[in-house]
Amino acid sequence: KAGVTQTPRYLIKTRGQQVTLSCSPISGHRSVSWYQQTPGQGLQFLFEYFSETQRNKGNFPGRFSGRQFSNSRSEMNVSTLELGDSALYLCASSLGSGSWETQYFGPGTRLLVL
Amino acid sequence: GESVGLHLPTLSVQEGDNSIINCAYSNSASDYFIWYKQESGKGPQFIIDIRSNMDKRQGQRVTVLLNKTVKHLSLQIAATQPGDSAVYFCAEMSKTSYDKVIFGPGTSLSVIP
Repeated sequence: KAGVTQTPRYLIKTRGQQVTLSCSPISGHRSVSWYQQTPGQGLQFLFEYFSETQRNKGNFPGRFSGRQFSNSRSEMNVSTLELGDSALYLCASSLGSGSWETQYFGPGTRLLVL
Repeated sequence: GESVGLHLPTLSVQEGDNSIINCAYSNSASDYFIWYKQESGKGPQFIIDIRSNMDKRQGQRVTVLLNKTVKHLSLQIAATQPGDSAVYFCAEMSKTSYDKVIFGPGTSLSVIP
């Protein structure tokens, strides 16, 4: 069974631009969560989608948004990029919402904002 | 604000020895805790979890201990192997609320062959 895949793996953008990251969950998983990981703040929860609906949202500004498609694939968008948005963005999928023990992470997308 | 922290940012152990990684949490309302392992270039991997109604839980070569009195969590790895080298971090949360999840900064475990 294929794992969680994220594209692209690496990305370089400049301040003010926007970016869209993609996540394909494990087959059969309906919940997708997004996280930001930085050396300074560690791992932080962004939001979770289940059945195309945002179920939970962390403490991030509205520039961070996401969506989930009917096939459970998810995208995350960051608008008006700031230098501080440079981070590893991780996606994780699980069978259901709140199923932490069945949650699997992808390898992440490393975003560098210049 | 509330946070989860680790006492030791780095830990070096000899292969075959036992490793103990510690974590302090501050939110007494947290009722669910997870330990993750993150290898270089990979996403975090679920190792073991424990609910607040338990003090101890064992898995394969790993044991998690929870001391609610002092809000302390530990991960014990028995017979540490080179493949255990990674960053380990804990997470505290409410089982029913994702947005309350708080991750610790992580401890880097290095296994000396």
